[in-house]
Amino acid sequence: SAVISQKPSRDICQRGTSLTIQCQVDSQVTMMFWYRQQPGQSLTLIATANQGSEATYESGFVIDKFPISRPNLTFSTLTVSNMSPEDSSIYLCSVEGQDTNYGYTFGSGTRLTVV
Amino acid sequence: GENVEQHPSTLSVQEGDSAVIKCTYSDSASNYFPWYKQELGKGPQLIIDIRSNVGEKKDQRIAVTLNKTAKHFSLHITETQPEDSAVYFCAGQGGGYQKVTFGTGTKLQVIP
Repeated sequence: SAVISQKPSRDICQRGTSLTIQCQVDSQVTMMFWYRQQPGQSLTLIATANQGSEATYESGFVIDKFPISRPNLTFSTLTVSNMSPEDSSIYLCSVEGQDTNYGYTFGSGTRLTVV
Repeated sequence: GENVEQHPSTLSVQEGDSAVIKCTYSDSASNYFPWYKQELGKGPQLIIDIRSNVGEKKDQRIAVTLNKTAKHFSLHITETQPEDSAVYFCAGQGGGYQKVTFGTGTKLQVIP
């Protein structure tokens, strides 16, 4: 399965600022996904990022708040903009399974605390 | 859209006992059901999966069963070990690379 490197692993940010999270995959993948996991909660899909097109956002998430870049088939970034304490969460990138395995591979996550 | 419910939310078992986690789904079009294990400070890791044309799948101490008619599937861990302690998520997914819907998670604690 693919290996995902996600940076930073954690950060503490001031409210009103922005943080960009990077996701690097060791192989080319068509689709990359960004999830949010609030403390003690399940995973919620923020958006799907395809190379060469705009990201597709889920209900409740907007591009102005969570702009995403996907410049090539191995890299993506998620920016959390104008942060508030409610944005404190773990943010995870993920890619689809390889070959016949549909299961996703996840990065180790970025633990964000907004103060 | 798909709705996946998961029970129980927490589960404590003695080392060596079995653990069972159950999930139900709503969308009959879902045909792929993965299970993920998330250890503290890490991202979820796929541990086993099952497709809708199969009723049961086993991998060493872990097994998953699927009842398509009733729209429920379960994770079974036998001979539990302390390293099995983690949060487990079930999920439902349609064909291809469609959106994955996760359950709410089960925190499993294996007591030595």
